[in-house]
Amino acid sequence: AQSVAQPEDQVNVAEGNPLTVKCTYSVSGNPYLFWYVQYPNRGLQFLLKYITGDNLVKGSYGFEAEFNKSQTSFHLKKPSALVSDSALYFCAVSPNNRLAFGKGNQVVVIP
Amino acid sequence: DGGITQSPKYLFRKEGQNVTLSCEQNLNHDAMYWYRQDPGQGLRLIYYSQIVNDFQKGDIAEGYSVSREKKESFPLTVTSAQKNPTAFYLCASSIELAGDGTGELFFGEGSRLTVL
Repeated sequence: AQSVAQPEDQVNVAEGNPLTVKCTYSVSGNPYLFWYVQYPNRGLQFLLKYITGDNLVKGSYGFEAEFNKSQTSFHLKKPSALVSDSALYFCAVSPNNRLAFGKGNQVVVIP
Repeated sequence: DGGITQSPKYLFRKEGQNVTLSCEQNLNHDAMYWYRQDPGQGLRLIYYSQIVNDFQKGDIAEGYSVSREKKESFPLTVTSAQKNPTAFYLCASSIELAGDGTGELFFGEGSRLTVL
C-alpha cells in the first residue's frame, strides 16, 4: 500500500530564512509525488509534482522539491520564506489515480 | 473562469438526516473525487469517478453515496449511516485521461458539514 509520512506537525521559520517541509513516502512501483498548499477554510492548491526526470522540481510561488529515491524522500523547500507562506502543506503520492495524502504540516512564518 | 464549485459552503444537519453536497466543474475533466478532511488526519478518499456513470469506493466509503450522471457534476450524499459526519468535505477533479495518476488535482473551496 502507498503511504506518505510528514513527520513534523508544525514548522516555524523566521521570515527571510530558508523553509523546508519534510516528506517521506512508501510505494510499490514508480512514485508520482505531489505537494499541495491549503489556506484556512479553503481547498488545496497544487504547488508542484515529480513524475520522472530531473530530481529537482520547481513549482509555484518560488517553491521547489527534491526527489531522493535512495532516501524515499520528497522535501519541499523555499530559499526565503514569506509571511504569506504560512499555511498547511500536504505531500501526496500516487502510482495510480488514487492519491494518498500525508497528514499535513502547518508552516508558520514569523515576521 | 474555469474551476470547481462546491455548495453549500457551510451546512448544518440534525442526526438521522441525509444531506447532499454539490460539486460542479467546468474544466472538462474526466475524473472527479471526494475527500474528507479532519484535523490532523490529512485527506481521506471517499469516492472517485473516472468517467460518467461509473464510480469507485475510496478508503472510507461507508455511509456515503455518489452519482455521476453528467461529466460536470459529482454530488455526494452523506447518509444517516455515517457515524461521524462532521468534517470538511473537498471535491476535486483531474484530467486523468490515462488514469495513471500523473495529473494534478484541482480542488473546490470545500463544504463544512456540522451535525447538531
